[in-house]
Amino acid sequence: GAVVSQHPSWVICKSGTSVKIECRSLDFQATTMFWYRQFPKQSLMLMATSNEGSKATYEQGVEKDKFLINHASLTLSTLTVTSAHPEDSSFYICSARAAWGLGQFFGPGTRLTVL
Amino acid sequence: GENVEQHPSTLSVQEGDSAVIKCTYSDSASNYFPWYKQELGKRPQLIIDIRSNVGEKKDQRIAVTLNKTAKHFSLHITETQPEDSAVYFCAASSGSNAGNMLTFGGGTRLMVKP
Repeated sequence: GAVVSQHPSWVICKSGTSVKIECRSLDFQATTMFWYRQFPKQSLMLMATSNEGSKATYEQGVEKDKFLINHASLTLSTLTVTSAHPEDSSFYICSARAAWGLGQFFGPGTRLTVL
Repeated sequence: GENVEQHPSTLSVQEGDSAVIKCTYSDSASNYFPWYKQELGKRPQLIIDIRSNVGEKKDQRIAVTLNKTAKHFSLHITETQPEDSAVYFCAASSGSNAGNMLTFGGGTRLMVKP
């Protein structure tokens, strides 16, 4: 149980385009989903917290107009990187927290490369 | 906000030896402390967690200890095996935080030499 999927697993795009990443909880309802960014050999940095049906809470320094988050249902959250630039290239990982506990279950991640 | 420090950043041990990774946290309200294992290019996997009402928890070769007074917690891996090689992250969370967000330590790269 507690499986989280993420799609796509990797994407290469041109500078200036937008990229949408989906995060789904497959066998449980996620009251809260989290989006992280991880640069090579570094820790996970929280970008934003999203709750179903409400606006996401962004961490300091994360541009909400650039990283659009939509949490339309208890099993789906999406992150859209708008007007992507090479510096946005990173490993983006989502996680989901179930209603029953405090633990977070991570998706497999999406490697974004912006040319 | 919460700040989590993790040491060491790299750890090399011989197969069969024990490995210990230590973390400190700053927010006394934190009450949940998970440990994650991340292999290269893969998702972090929860390996063990502990809540603030418990001082120690063990699961086979893995154990975690928590000292609330000193605000530090540690991961202990005994009889290490090459497949234990990975990056390990500690994290802390407060139940009072919106959504129970986790603050991660910087990670420890564990290398188990056969």
